[in-house]
Amino acid sequence: SQQGEEDPQALSIQEGENATMNCSYKTSINNLQWYRQNSGRGLVHLILIRSNEREKHSGRLRVTLDTSKKSSSLLITASRAADTASYFCATDLNDYKLSFGAGTTVTVRA
Amino acid sequence: ETGVTQSPTHLIKTRGQQVTLRCSSQSGHNTVSWYQQALGQGPQFIFQYYREEENGRGNFPPRFSGLQFPNYSSELNVNALELDDSALYLCASGGSQETQYFGPGTRLLVL
Repeated sequence: SQQGEEDPQALSIQEGENATMNCSYKTSINNLQWYRQNSGRGLVHLILIRSNEREKHSGRLRVTLDTSKKSSSLLITASRAADTASYFCATDLNDYKLSFGAGTTVTVRA
Repeated sequence: ETGVTQSPTHLIKTRGQQVTLRCSSQSGHNTVSWYQQALGQGPQFIFQYYREEENGRGNFPPRFSGLQFPNYSSELNVNALELDDSALYLCASGGSQETQYFGPGTRLLVL
């Protein structure tokens, strides 16, 4: 079974706009990671946030984590066409075994 | 580029057949994990190998098996293929950090 669930399932935005997606999970975690997947290919690691962190930034990405609500959000600012992809949250069960949600598909319109 | 490669890129098999998928991890990475991703779903953890020993398995039957070799390569074997085994199979390698580096995947179609 999958630990995380992303919301929304799909998102369509105009280039330059911000995109926000959410992830909820069920059990305690060591860390939560976000990955991007382009057109059914391999996953690319975007950012990792540990259970004792509340917010983290990497370039145009901002991730928040609320362990009391068992939820995380990923914000992509000033979106570009190249950001069109599926985004997955993954929780680290233990020993680097990841449990993924079903993902959010983001389409950035030119 | 993650430095993780997989072969073949695509594969078509018939129900009941056996298949072997291959992965070459980053040098120095002791763990390799395999994931199955059905169309429209997130990846599901199959199993992980650490220093050539199985180190955890997800909810997959024994007909899914694996090997890890000293040269950072690994295999996923699936026996008695079923139609539902059609999916993208991803391998991921990791070192001492939590970040996993994924290969491009092998797309398997079972007819």
